[in-house]
Order: sequence, then C-alpha cells, then structure tokens
Amino acid sequence: KQEVTQIPAALSVPEGENLVLNCSFTDSAIYNLQWFRQDPGKGLTSLLLIQSSQREQTSGRLNASLDKSSGRSTLYIAASQPGDSATYLCAVGPDGYNKLIFGAGTRLAVHP
Amino acid sequence: EAQVTQNPRYLITVTGKKLTVTCSQNMNHEYMSWYRQDPGLGLRQIYYSMNVEVTDKGDVPEGYKVSRKEKRNFPLILESPSPNQTSLYFCASTPGDGGVAYNEQFFGPGTRLTVL
Repeated sequence: KQEVTQIPAALSVPEGENLVLNCSFTDSAIYNLQWFRQDPGKGLTSLLLIQSSQREQTSGRLNASLDKSSGRSTLYIAASQPGDSATYLCAVGPDGYNKLIFGAGTRLAVHP
Repeated sequence: EAQVTQNPRYLITVTGKKLTVTCSQNMNHEYMSWYRQDPGLGLRQIYYSMNVEVTDKGDVPEGYKVSRKEKRNFPLILESPSPNQTSLYFCASTPGDGGVAYNEQFFGPGTRLTVL
C-alpha cells in the first residue's frame, strides 16, 4: 500500500531564506507527483506537476524534483516571503488519472 | 475563469437528514473525484468518475453516493449523514485528454460539513 510521508511537519523561517520541503513515498510505481499549497480554510492550489518520466519542474521561485527509484521528491522554495506561509502537500498518482495519495503536509511559516 | 465550484461552502445538519453537495467544473474535464480531509488522516478519496455514467469507489466510500449524469457535474450525496462524516470535502477534476498535463488535478474550494 502506497504511503506518502512529508518531513518536516512544520517549519518556521525568516523571510529571504531558501528552503527545502521533503516528500517520500513507499512504492516507486507512480504515474505522477503533484505539489499543492493549501491556505487555512481554503482549497488546494496546484503548484507543480511532475510526470513519472520527468526529473524536475520549475515555476517561478519553486522547483520540484523527482527521484522515482529512491521514492523521493523535494520542493525547493527560493527567497521565501511571508506570502509563502501555508501548508504544502505532496501527492502521488498511482493510476495515471483519477487518484492521488496525499502526504500529511508541511506547515510553513515565513516571518518578516 | 476555469474553475471547480462547490456548493454549499458550509453546511451544518443533523444525523439522518439527506443532503447533497454539488460540484461543477467548466473545463470540459473527463475525470472527477471527491475527497475528504480530516485532521491526522489527510486527504482521502471517496469516489471518482471516469466519464458520464461511469463511477467507482475510492478508499472511503461507505455512507456516500455519487452520480455523473452530465460531464460537468458530479454531486456527492449523503443519504443518512452521521457525525463521523463531519469533515472538509473537496471535489477535483482532471483533464484526461492526453495533453502534457492530462493528469493534473484541480480542486474546488471545499465544503465544510458538520453533522450533529
């Protein structure tokens, strides 16, 4: 059974720091991996999608990498800002279309 | 604006009173899903649909029903809600069109349900 783990569970950093959020999964047979952001009481915003054949994706200050063989993904946030404060969720897609299996998330606080 | 919408956003009800949470997407996506989010348990899939009139169970389907009579709509039905169905519910849709991001999931804003 696929399990997704995110470390750390919570992170507090000063503004301007570069930071790395980690995601690991137990079964390397995945179709894709998706990173989301969730603000308190709000929905999920898709940040980056990495297909199983890809090694990384970039969007602005965000960069996500995928190493299927080791069951790991990292989300790199450059020059963090207070507006980046949110919970970041990692999810793997085992079947290509319908299903995502989520980690518990990393709660990030960026203080001025 | 391309989006997934859910209604209502907040609902307080009593045990046993049937309710429906609506979900609609305007992106012509093939696939739709329902998830629930609970503290300590994360997001778990309830049901999904691959096409009109094609639905299947996810990981936690007990106590829920769905239907997909039109491509854009995927309502979640609780025939007899119980307190353990108090949760935050999300609807999601996926293109499924063979494009580069064919399997990217887009989520609605969530429905917070409380069953007393």
